Amino acid sequence: EDQVTQSPEALRLQEGESSSLNCSYTVSGLRGLFWYRQDPGKGPEFLFTLYSAGEEKEKERLKATLTKKESFLHITAPKPEDSATYLCAVRMGGANNLFFGTGTRLTVIP
Amino acid sequence: DSGVTQTPKHLITATGQRVTLRCSPRSGDLSVYWYQQSLDQGLQFLIHYYNGEERAKGNILERFSAQQFPDLHSELNLSSLELGDSALYFCASSVELDTQYFGPGTRLTVL
Repeated sequence: EDQVTQSPEALRLQEGESSSLNCSYTVSGLRGLFWYRQDPGKGPEFLFTLYSAGEEKEKERLKATLTKKESFLHITAPKPEDSATYLCAVRMGGANNLFFGTGTRLTVIP
Repeated sequence: DSGVTQTPKHLITATGQRVTLRCSPRSGDLSVYWYQQSLDQGLQFLIHYYNGEERAKGNILERFSAQQFPDLHSELNLSSLELGDSALYFCASSVELDTQYFGPGTRLTVL
């Protein structure tokens, strides 16, 4: 069965305390792994797309990496404004739609 | 701002009623996707339209239907509403297989 699992469910960090969020997947025919950020009551905001194992993308304090079984979102020296829910999604097989994990709720404390 | 617009922002209605949610995709995007986000289920794919034609269906109830018009805007119709239909409904658009950009959502409350 196709699955996308994100861990941890929630993460509290002190400002400046780097960490990583995990997205593991068991899907057939991965055609893209996507990271989104979602603030409460708002629409998901696109961050990164990764297509093949070994690929890495960076944006400000965020860096996404992909292996054959999982993806990591590394947050370096986070700030309070990085507090949000981070969603991982995959596109697989012949489908165009995204299959989402349940997200990691990140809180960065000043 | 993703460039995807959705109206209305909030909708409060009663059980048994019917509502219509509207989405305008980003300029140039031919694909429109609808997703439902509830507290206990996360983001769930409902339906995908490409240039006016239905391309794929996900976990969409028979009481729900959608269409995409010649100007590419899309509407999601929800009928015989139940309490459990209360959720955030998002529309996303993309250029074929490219990244999906999400709108701000419509919060539906069924009383």
